[in-house]
Amino acid sequence: DQQVKQNSPSLSVQEGRISILNCDYTNSMFDYFLWYKKYPAEGPTFLISISSIKDKNEDGRFTVFLNKSAKHLSLHIVPSQPGDSAVYFCATQRGSNYKLTFGKGTLLTVNP
Amino acid sequence: DTGVSQNPRHKITKRGQNVTFRCDPISEHNRLYWYRQTLGQGPEFLTYFQNEAQLEKSRLLSDRFSAERPKGSFSTLEIQRTEQGDSAMYLCASSLRGFPYGYTFGSGTRLTVV
Repeated sequence: DQQVKQNSPSLSVQEGRISILNCDYTNSMFDYFLWYKKYPAEGPTFLISISSIKDKNEDGRFTVFLNKSAKHLSLHIVPSQPGDSAVYFCATQRGSNYKLTFGKGTLLTVNP
Repeated sequence: DTGVSQNPRHKITKRGQNVTFRCDPISEHNRLYWYRQTLGQGPEFLTYFQNEAQLEKSRLLSDRFSAERPKGSFSTLEIQRTEQGDSAMYLCASSLRGFPYGYTFGSGTRLTVV
């Protein structure tokens, strides 16, 4: 049973446009939600996070939105750049347990 | 300090052989994690150390797997009697503080069992 779902395996957008990556989760007890970016042959890199007590967190071109009633998380990248092309993983964490639960990832391709 | 270092980057082994991977975390980080990632999946938690104490092990970590972190510094992950199903990317991560800062991952060790 997958607790974190990223239903879109891939997404393609034009440079300068908005990229929206989505994530759904099943456990309402999660405390933190994170996004990681992964380039080929590298480990995942932390991008942005949000606490369950907030509904929005912004860092430069990246904004994460949390809809707790829908158990839905999204990452907005605007404007998208070719260097943003990577696999994006949604991850969740619960309580004082630092274990992360990851989705399967979405491959974002930003076309020049 | 150049981040989390993992060695080797790639390992090809025959089924039934034992393999050992090493992870050197960021020096001031007291927490260390091992994850496994298979094709088309996200990373899956294997085990977690705080200093030298192994505080949690996933059910994914069968009896053939063992992890150590002597003196709370580097860590090793050993797989005995490897099986083809062990083929995966093994990722190590470390952290000093809790969320929302996230972990720092290494580049991983890709294991292929033939």
